[in-house]
Amino acid sequence: RKEVEQDPGPFNVPEGATVAFNCTYSNSASQSFFWYRQDCRKEPKLLMSVYSSGNEDGRFTAQLNRASQYISLLIRDSKLSDSATYLCVVNRGQAGTALIFGKGTTLSVSS
Amino acid sequence: GAVVSQHPSRVICKSGTSVKIECRSLDFQATTMFWYRQFPKQSLMLMATSNEGSKATYEQGVEKDKFLINHASLTLSTLTVTSAHPEDSSFYICSAWVATGSYGYTFGSGTRLTVV
Repeated sequence: RKEVEQDPGPFNVPEGATVAFNCTYSNSASQSFFWYRQDCRKEPKLLMSVYSSGNEDGRFTAQLNRASQYISLLIRDSKLSDSATYLCVVNRGQAGTALIFGKGTTLSVSS
Repeated sequence: GAVVSQHPSRVICKSGTSVKIECRSLDFQATTMFWYRQFPKQSLMLMATSNEGSKATYEQGVEKDKFLINHASLTLSTLTVTSAHPEDSSFYICSAWVATGSYGYTFGSGTRLTVV
Protein backbone atom coordinates (compact mmCIF):
# COMPACT_ATOMS: atom_id res chain seq x y z
CA ARG A 1 0.00 0.00 0.00
CA LYS A 2 1.33 3.44 -0.88
CA GLU A 3 2.12 5.72 2.01
CA VAL A 4 -0.08 8.49 0.61
CA GLU A 5 -2.84 7.98 -1.93
CA GLN A 6 -4.76 10.58 -3.88
CA ASP A 7 -7.14 10.59 -6.79
CA PRO A 8 -4.96 11.97 -9.60
CA GLY A 9 -7.87 13.58 -11.41
CA PRO A 10 -7.81 15.66 -13.50
CA PHE A 11 -10.57 17.79 -12.12
CA ASN A 12 -11.85 20.20 -14.75
CA VAL A 13 -14.14 22.82 -13.26
CA PRO A 14 -15.51 26.23 -14.25
CA GLU A 15 -14.60 29.38 -12.42
CA GLY A 16 -16.59 29.76 -9.24
CA ALA A 17 -17.01 26.05 -8.67
CA THR A 18 -16.35 24.26 -5.41
CA VAL A 19 -14.03 21.31 -5.64
CA ALA A 20 -12.92 18.75 -3.06
CA PHE A 21 -9.81 16.61 -2.97
CA ASN A 22 -9.33 13.57 -0.79
CA CYS A 23 -6.30 11.73 0.42
CA THR A 24 -5.53 8.73 2.63
CA TYR A 25 -2.30 7.84 4.36
CA SER A 26 -1.09 4.54 5.73
CA ASN A 27 1.35 5.48 8.51
CA SER A 28 -0.49 5.94 11.77
CA ALA A 29 2.67 7.47 13.26
CA SER A 30 2.44 10.50 10.98
CA GLN A 31 2.06 13.68 12.97
CA SER A 32 2.22 16.49 10.44
CA PHE A 33 -0.10 16.91 7.49
CA PHE A 34 -0.05 19.38 4.66
CA TRP A 35 -1.43 20.37 1.32
CA TYR A 36 1.14 21.64 -1.14
CA ARG A 37 0.62 23.15 -4.54
CA GLN A 38 2.92 22.49 -7.48
CA ASP A 39 2.95 24.44 -10.74
CA CYS A 40 4.60 23.36 -13.97
CA ARG A 41 7.13 21.02 -12.33
CA LYS A 42 8.49 23.74 -10.10
CA GLU A 43 9.21 23.15 -6.46
CA PRO A 44 6.14 22.49 -4.34
CA LYS A 45 4.78 25.42 -2.34
CA LEU A 46 3.06 25.00 1.00
CA LEU A 47 -0.63 25.75 0.67
CA MET A 48 -1.63 24.98 4.22
CA SER A 49 -1.01 22.73 7.15
CA VAL A 50 -3.85 20.47 8.23
CA TYR A 51 -5.00 20.11 11.81
CA SER A 52 -7.37 17.69 13.47
CA SER A 53 -9.75 20.51 14.33
CA GLY A 54 -9.95 21.51 10.69
CA ASN A 55 -8.65 24.81 9.43
CA GLU A 56 -9.54 27.41 6.89
CA ASP A 57 -7.51 29.90 4.92
CA GLY A 58 -9.68 32.10 2.78
CA ARG A 59 -11.29 29.93 0.12
CA PHE A 60 -9.41 26.83 1.25
CA THR A 61 -10.56 24.47 3.99
CA ALA A 62 -8.61 21.43 5.14
CA GLN A 63 -9.81 18.59 7.30
CA LEU A 64 -8.02 15.72 8.99
CA ASN A 65 -9.51 12.53 10.37
CA ARG A 66 -6.81 10.66 12.24
CA ALA A 67 -9.01 7.69 13.01
CA SER A 68 -9.64 6.95 9.34
CA GLN A 69 -6.30 8.44 8.23
CA TYR A 70 -8.05 10.69 5.79
CA ILE A 71 -7.26 14.24 4.70
CA SER A 72 -9.34 16.56 2.57
CA LEU A 73 -9.07 19.92 0.89
CA LEU A 74 -12.02 22.03 -0.19
CA ILE A 75 -11.60 24.92 -2.58
CA ARG A 76 -14.51 27.32 -2.87
CA ASP A 77 -15.13 29.87 -5.61
CA SER A 78 -12.39 28.46 -7.83
CA LYS A 79 -10.21 30.94 -9.71
CA LEU A 80 -8.27 30.44 -12.90
CA SER A 81 -5.12 30.87 -10.84
CA ASP A 82 -6.03 27.81 -8.77
CA SER A 83 -5.13 25.59 -11.72
CA ALA A 84 -2.24 23.46 -10.48
CA THR A 85 -1.42 20.08 -8.98
CA TYR A 86 -2.35 19.70 -5.34
CA LEU A 87 -0.18 17.38 -3.30
CA CYS A 88 -1.26 15.68 -0.12
CA VAL A 89 1.75 15.39 2.15
CA VAL A 90 2.39 13.70 5.48
CA ASN A 91 5.51 13.22 7.52
CA ARG A 92 6.76 9.90 8.77
CA GLY A 93 6.48 10.58 12.44
CA GLN A 94 7.74 13.28 14.74
CA ALA A 95 8.61 16.77 13.57
CA GLY A 96 11.54 16.85 11.22
CA THR A 97 11.05 13.43 9.69
CA ALA A 98 10.79 13.07 5.93
CA LEU A 99 7.77 14.33 4.06
CA ILE A 100 5.99 11.77 1.91
CA PHE A 101 4.06 13.08 -1.06
CA GLY A 102 0.95 11.78 -2.72
CA LYS A 103 0.92 11.59 -6.48
CA GLY A 104 -1.04 14.81 -6.67
CA THR A 105 -4.44 15.83 -7.96
CA THR A 106 -4.53 18.02 -11.03
CA LEU A 107 -7.02 20.86 -11.07
CA SER A 108 -7.88 22.82 -14.18
CA VAL A 109 -10.17 25.83 -13.76
CA SER A 110 -11.62 27.27 -16.93
CA SER A 111 -13.47 30.49 -17.69
CA GLY B 1 12.12 32.86 6.05
CA ALA B 2 14.55 29.97 5.74
CA VAL B 3 15.95 29.63 2.24
CA VAL B 4 17.62 26.72 0.50
CA SER B 5 19.55 27.60 -2.63
CA GLN B 6 19.81 24.75 -5.12
CA HIS B 7 22.18 24.69 -8.11
CA PRO B 8 22.25 24.13 -10.95
CA SER B 9 18.64 24.67 -11.98
CA ARG B 10 19.15 22.83 -15.24
CA VAL B 11 21.90 20.55 -16.47
CA ILE B 12 22.41 18.48 -19.56
CA CYS B 13 25.11 15.86 -19.47
CA LYS B 14 26.34 12.97 -21.55
CA SER B 15 25.72 9.35 -20.60
CA GLY B 16 28.42 8.03 -18.36
CA THR B 17 29.36 11.32 -16.78
CA SER B 18 28.66 12.44 -13.22
CA VAL B 19 26.64 15.43 -12.13
CA LYS B 20 26.73 17.18 -8.77
CA ILE B 21 23.75 19.05 -7.39
CA GLU B 22 24.23 21.41 -4.45
CA CYS B 23 21.82 22.63 -1.84
CA ARG B 24 22.88 25.38 0.53
CA SER B 25 20.94 26.67 3.47
CA LEU B 26 21.43 30.42 3.40
CA ASP B 27 20.18 31.62 6.75
CA PHE B 28 19.82 28.58 8.95
CA GLN B 29 21.63 25.40 9.84
CA ALA B 30 20.26 22.38 8.02
CA THR B 31 21.00 19.40 10.21
CA THR B 32 18.69 17.25 8.10
CA MET B 33 18.28 17.37 4.34
CA PHE B 34 15.96 15.28 2.22
CA TRP B 35 16.51 14.50 -1.45
CA TYR B 36 13.64 13.79 -3.84
CA ARG B 37 13.25 13.09 -7.51
CA GLN B 38 10.21 13.51 -9.68
CA PHE B 39 9.64 11.79 -13.00
CA PRO B 40 7.10 13.21 -15.48
CA LYS B 41 3.51 12.88 -14.25
CA GLN B 42 4.74 11.34 -11.00
CA SER B 43 4.97 12.74 -7.53
CA LEU B 44 8.07 13.59 -5.56
CA MET B 45 9.70 10.37 -4.44
CA LEU B 46 11.97 10.44 -1.42
CA MET B 47 15.43 9.18 -2.32
CA ALA B 48 17.34 9.63 0.89
CA THR B 49 17.64 11.46 4.17
CA SER B 50 20.95 12.94 5.12
CA ASN B 51 22.08 14.19 8.51
CA GLU B 52 25.08 16.43 8.87
CA GLY B 53 28.21 14.46 9.61
CA SER B 54 26.75 10.99 9.10
CA LYS B 55 25.92 8.65 6.27
CA ALA B 56 22.72 9.17 4.37
CA THR B 57 19.80 6.81 4.77
CA TYR B 58 18.52 5.67 1.41
CA GLU B 59 15.02 4.58 0.53
CA GLN B 60 14.42 1.08 -0.72
CA GLY B 61 15.31 0.76 -4.36
CA VAL B 62 17.64 3.77 -4.48
CA GLU B 63 21.23 2.81 -5.28
CA LYS B 64 23.51 4.46 -2.75
CA ASP B 65 26.58 3.93 -4.95
CA LYS B 66 24.93 5.69 -7.84
CA PHE B 67 23.43 8.59 -5.92
CA LEU B 68 26.15 9.84 -3.61
CA ILE B 69 25.01 12.19 -0.90
CA ASN B 70 27.39 14.28 1.14
CA HIS B 71 26.29 16.42 4.05
CA ALA B 72 29.61 17.44 5.53
CA SER B 73 28.50 20.82 6.86
CA LEU B 74 25.41 22.35 8.38
CA THR B 75 24.89 24.56 5.34
CA LEU B 76 25.71 22.32 2.40
CA SER B 77 24.41 19.02 1.11
CA THR B 78 25.27 17.58 -2.28
CA LEU B 79 23.83 14.85 -4.45
CA THR B 80 26.08 13.37 -7.12
CA VAL B 81 24.54 11.26 -9.83
CA THR B 82 27.37 9.01 -10.93
CA SER B 83 27.64 7.42 -14.36
CA ALA B 84 24.39 9.04 -15.38
CA HIS B 85 22.13 7.35 -17.92
CA PRO B 86 19.08 8.64 -19.78
CA GLU B 87 16.78 6.92 -17.29
CA ASP B 88 18.26 9.17 -14.57
CA SER B 89 16.79 12.20 -16.35
CA SER B 90 14.45 13.69 -13.79
CA PHE B 91 13.68 16.65 -11.57
CA TYR B 92 15.76 16.49 -8.39
CA ILE B 93 14.85 18.61 -5.41
CA CYS B 94 16.17 18.99 -1.90
CA SER B 95 14.29 19.88 1.24
CA ALA B 96 15.55 20.86 4.65
CA TRP B 97 14.00 20.72 8.05
CA VAL B 98 14.17 24.09 9.77
CA ALA B 99 14.29 23.39 13.48
CA THR B 100 14.36 26.98 14.67
CA GLY B 101 12.78 30.30 13.83
CA SER B 102 10.35 29.77 10.97
CA TYR B 103 10.17 26.11 11.93
CA GLY B 104 9.13 23.78 9.15
CA TYR B 105 10.21 22.36 5.84
CA THR B 106 11.78 24.42 3.09
CA PHE B 107 12.55 23.36 -0.47
CA GLY B 108 15.21 24.14 -3.00
CA SER B 109 14.02 25.26 -6.43
CA GLY B 110 14.94 21.95 -8.04
CA THR B 111 17.36 20.74 -10.70
CA ARG B 112 16.17 19.44 -14.02
CA LEU B 113 18.67 16.84 -15.19
CA THR B 114 18.70 15.63 -18.77
CA VAL B 115 21.09 12.85 -19.70
CA VAL B 116 21.73 12.47 -23.42
